[in-house]
Amino acid sequence: GAGVSQSPSNKVTEKGKDVELRCDPISGHTALYWYRQSLGQGLEFLIYFQGNSAPDKSGLPSDRFSAERTGGSVSTLTIQRTQQEDSAVYLCASSLGTESYTFGSGTRLTVV
Amino acid sequence: QKEVEQDPGPLSVPEGAIVSLNCTYSNSAFQYFMWYRQYSRKGPELLMYTYSSGNKEDGRFTAQVDKSSKYISLFIRDSQPSDSATYLCATQRGSQGNLIFGKGTKLSVKP
Repeated sequence: GAGVSQSPSNKVTEKGKDVELRCDPISGHTALYWYRQSLGQGLEFLIYFQGNSAPDKSGLPSDRFSAERTGGSVSTLTIQRTQQEDSAVYLCASSLGTESYTFGSGTRLTVV
Repeated sequence: QKEVEQDPGPLSVPEGAIVSLNCTYSNSAFQYFMWYRQYSRKGPELLMYTYSSGNKEDGRFTAQVDKSSKYISLFIRDSQPSDSATYLCATQRGSQGNLIFGKGTKLSVKP
């Protein structure tokens, strides 16, 4: 597609449930990034993929968070046993280099 | 000290005003500097990109980097109500890898 596509756009889940967030990057973009944006906070880096491997997963806040990327394309961010503090907008970006860094519109996650 | 500091505002200006948005950063090794604009309920979009020190102009927007003082600026001339958004500065350690963002400054341009 023309841009980075994320689904779902909104997700409300009960505390303790698992959620999966999907990112479909721009075709041909080898790098893929996940960020989290909480109210009043900047963008917090979570994980970076180059192809299917993740050379930097230093931003994942706990072992409840995991991500994978398959076929050098689609990525899934999984949050297990969600907590209320996980409520945020989860943004995905893809790039070939710095100037092509393009974000999706995000998934707004609410844990109730 | 956070790697990138940005005053969150909010900043409110009348239409036509010159807007100055600023960030400071801590690591002199940073080489790439960006400004992103984020409208409500949208992802950030790249507005300006600068490598190393100097100025870059694009229409009404000018990005300025002063590496000696570790200061990044974005100037908006003849501001318009459509410029109302959150502006995020960002930097990157190398040509690959994650971006490090400031918290963003919320700008409102009043007609």
